[in-house]
Amino acid sequence: NAGVTQTPKFQVLKTGQSMTLQCAQDMNHNSMYWYRQDPGMGLRLIYYSASEGTTDKGEVPNGYNVSRLNKREFSLRLESAAPSQTSVYFCASSDRVLASTDTQYFGPGTRLTVL
Amino acid sequence: AQSVTQLDSHVSVSEGTPVLLRCNYSSSYSPSLFWYVQHPNKGLQLLLKYTSAATLVKGINGFEAEFKKSETSFHLMKPSAHMSDAAEYFCVVSVYNFNKFYFGSGTKLNVKP
Repeated sequence: NAGVTQTPKFQVLKTGQSMTLQCAQDMNHNSMYWYRQDPGMGLRLIYYSASEGTTDKGEVPNGYNVSRLNKREFSLRLESAAPSQTSVYFCASSDRVLASTDTQYFGPGTRLTVL
Repeated sequence: AQSVTQLDSHVSVSEGTPVLLRCNYSSSYSPSLFWYVQHPNKGLQLLLKYTSAATLVKGINGFEAEFKKSETSFHLMKPSAHMSDAAEYFCVVSVYNFNKFYFGSGTKLNVKP
């Protein structure tokens, strides 16, 4: 049982380049999330998807786009990368959208550096 | 408004000694509280959660936490540290109907042999 998987694990970009981070879950969860983690800060929500076909902005959505391709997959796209987007990106899933008592299941993360 | 503060960014203990990781929260409503652990180069994993049932919550790997409403605290404890407990720990608060989780900045636990 793989849980939540993310690709790639590491990526280095130049300013202005674009890329897509991929995430998939095999737990049949309805909701999926993208977070970023910066040193000395907690995780901050970028975007989330309550169900297939819906997406909503989180706390820090600027500079990002997302696609909920199907129930399993949720991708995060950086159209024009900036050094401020250097971070570790985590995908997560849960059964219900942002339900206060639900456990979120996290992927291993993508470490992105923008030069 | 909701927020969470982890009082120590780094904690160092010797193997076999107790662990205490401190978390204080601020919430205008009854919160749900979580502790997650992140091992190096891994994703976050749930240790335990409080959702308005028993105030002393037991989790995996011998960890437990006590919800103290009067002190607005949810400290994480373990009686005897193992080397495998070395990781970063995150305290998280959420409130029903607010559709948001608030993550603390994390506490890195070092366990010395």
